[in-house]
Amino acid sequence: EAGVAQSPRYKIIEKRQSVAFWCNPISGHATLYWYQQILGQGPKLLIQFQNNGVVDDSQLPKDRFSAERLKGVDSTLKIQPAKLEDSAVYLCASSLSVGTTYNEQFFGPGTRLTVL
Amino acid sequence: AQSVTQLGSHVSVSEGALVLLRCNYSSSVPPYLFWYVQYPNQGLQLLLKYTSAATLVKGINGFEAEFKKSETSFHLTKPSAHMSDAAEYFCAVSPSGSARQLTFGSGTQLTVLP
Repeated sequence: EAGVAQSPRYKIIEKRQSVAFWCNPISGHATLYWYQQILGQGPKLLIQFQNNGVVDDSQLPKDRFSAERLKGVDSTLKIQPAKLEDSAVYLCASSLSVGTTYNEQFFGPGTRLTVL
Repeated sequence: AQSVTQLGSHVSVSEGALVLLRCNYSSSVPPYLFWYVQYPNQGLQLLLKYTSAATLVKGINGFEAEFKKSETSFHLTKPSAHMSDAAEYFCAVSPSGSARQLTFGSGTQLTVLP
């Protein structure tokens, strides 16, 4: 079974530029998550989708970050314009569904963003 | 609200020695608790989880953790460290009944000395 795929793996941009990350979850997984992991910290949830709907985006800086999952499968996370403090690893994860039964989150390898 | 505190950002052990990584949690509802491992340039991999069944949980690669409600702890142990255990370990908490809203600790970097 293929895991969660992310691209690109690495990205270097200058501040005020825009950048986009792509995630392809495990086939059949309805729930998709984007996390931000700053160096030396644990991952922080940015946004959670259930199919193509947003479940939680309370920690997403909406003035510069946006995310979509139009067909309920792949997802893109965009930053525009980027700031120095956005330098981090962006992790995508997926799970079968959100409900009363525990479903493990499977993580992709992440995209390491460096903002100069 | 949930939070996790991992005591010790760096832990070093000798190969063959006991591994003990500490995690304390705070949760307003019965929690689910997790340990994840992250190798360099890779995503997180689930080591083990506590979901309100047995308080002593066994995971992959010989790791185990014990849920102690009275101490609000979920420490990770392994009797004998192997060089391949060198990685970063994250403790996480979630409200029971769901896999969403994982809140992670800041991580502990484990170094295994030959």
